[in-house]
Amino acid sequence: EVQLVESGGGLVQPGGSLRLSCAASGFTFSNYWMTWVRQTPGNGPEWLANIKQDGSEKYYLDSVKGRFTISRDNAKNSLYLQMDSLRAEDTAVYYCARDKVAGASLFDSWGQGTLVTVSS
Amino acid sequence: DIQMTQSPSSLSASVGDRVTITCRASQTISTYLNWYQQRPGKAPKLLIYAASSLQSGVPSRFSGSGSGTDFTLTISSLQPEDFATYYCQESYNAPLTFGGGTTVEIK
Repeated sequence: EVQLVESGGGLVQPGGSLRLSCAASGFTFSNYWMTWVRQTPGNGPEWLANIKQDGSEKYYLDSVKGRFTISRDNAKNSLYLQMDSLRAEDTAVYYCARDKVAGASLFDSWGQGTLVTVSS
Repeated sequence: DIQMTQSPSSLSASVGDRVTITCRASQTISTYLNWYQQRPGKAPKLLIYAASSLQSGVPSRFSGSGSGTDFTLTISSLQPEDFATYYCQESYNAPLTFGGGTTVEIK
């Protein structure tokens, strides 16, 4: 069974940093593009970033480019999101998701989400 | 960026009803359109990809159609477990964008 489990969320002050992790199991992690998506209450999901199987390509939403960094460790079956210079508007539930097909940018498996709250 | 507009934003329906949700893209996206279902407190779940392909394990009462800029998700006979919020998502190019959602409520 495919499983994605996020961790690392919590309360952080504006300007602070947080590193999210996503532990993958039940599939060959190194074969898949992976993605981070976030969602605030009452709104649609917002795509943030994705990363190719070997980490050689990464793409970001403009509003997080330069502040967020996506990475992966295929040996540990893990995906990461380093978030720096956090703002109140970054408060959301953050999900990791798997691309159904390489580069297809559609997501067939999602984690349960981890809540990030940016507040003083 | 491509804007995805869903309508209606919410609807009330009864078990057994036929329900149609529409999604319009701000530019042509061929059939690079996907539909997700989200229940409260849960992650989105892929229902339909490439506009009309049913994801494995999804009941056949769900169907999708459309191409270019206009798309529809149809639930042929609404079941109690279908009361949820539905989102469209374009996978044409980055940044990938989602619609604002359509909440299907019990009448």
